[in-house]
Amino acid sequence: GAVVSQHPSWVICKSGTSVKIECRSLDFQATTMFWYRQFPKQSLMLMATSNEGSKATYEQGVEKDKFLINHASLTLSTLTVTSAHPEDSSFYICSARDLRRGHQPQHFGDGTRLSIL
Amino acid sequence: AQKVTQAQTEISVVEKEDVTLDCVYETRDTTYYLFWYKQPPSGELVFLIRRNSFDEQNEISGRYSWNFQKSTSSFNFTITASQVVDSAVYFCALSEAMGSDKVIFGPGTSLSVIP
Repeated sequence: GAVVSQHPSWVICKSGTSVKIECRSLDFQATTMFWYRQFPKQSLMLMATSNEGSKATYEQGVEKDKFLINHASLTLSTLTVTSAHPEDSSFYICSARDLRRGHQPQHFGDGTRLSIL
Repeated sequence: AQKVTQAQTEISVVEKEDVTLDCVYETRDTTYYLFWYKQPPSGELVFLIRRNSFDEQNEISGRYSWNFQKSTSSFNFTITASQVVDSAVYFCALSEAMGSDKVIFGPGTSLSVIP
């Protein structure tokens, strides 16, 4: 079963709305989670590293005021797309690694398809 | 800087043919991991394999096999006797073995297996 859960899996909203996406590690604690964005027919691009209890680290070119990340607990990171516009429409995927299992591959969520009208 | 190149943007094969997906990577790290992921049309990422930079042994898993050649910085993926269900986008990826867990993805290769 899924070890990283994303919610919602699909969202459509009007331009100007803020949208929150949740990423949960289901049976392990994750001090670090990652947020990726994937435009149609393109690769996954890392947006930011979410750190539990501290500020997120954003990749170059990603607006931190537009993509708010909160990692308030060891099992939950949230990405809020503020004042979303059509160009923010994309597939957003999070990932996390179970540190108890050594350096095992990250677990990816099933993604959230965001469509801004 | 780390970079992953997948020169083949799209590949079409007829069912039962073998197909090789190419992956070339760049990194200054001496220790790193290489990955292959499958992304079917539904969008979720399916983990296929991870290879440590110290382990150059080739690996076979059913119809899948991987050829890791450090000398050419390549990590190619071969599907033998392809099936329609293999149709998907395949991503090669790279991450550091120490420090950051960031995964850098290649641009992906879209594979279509035609019945």
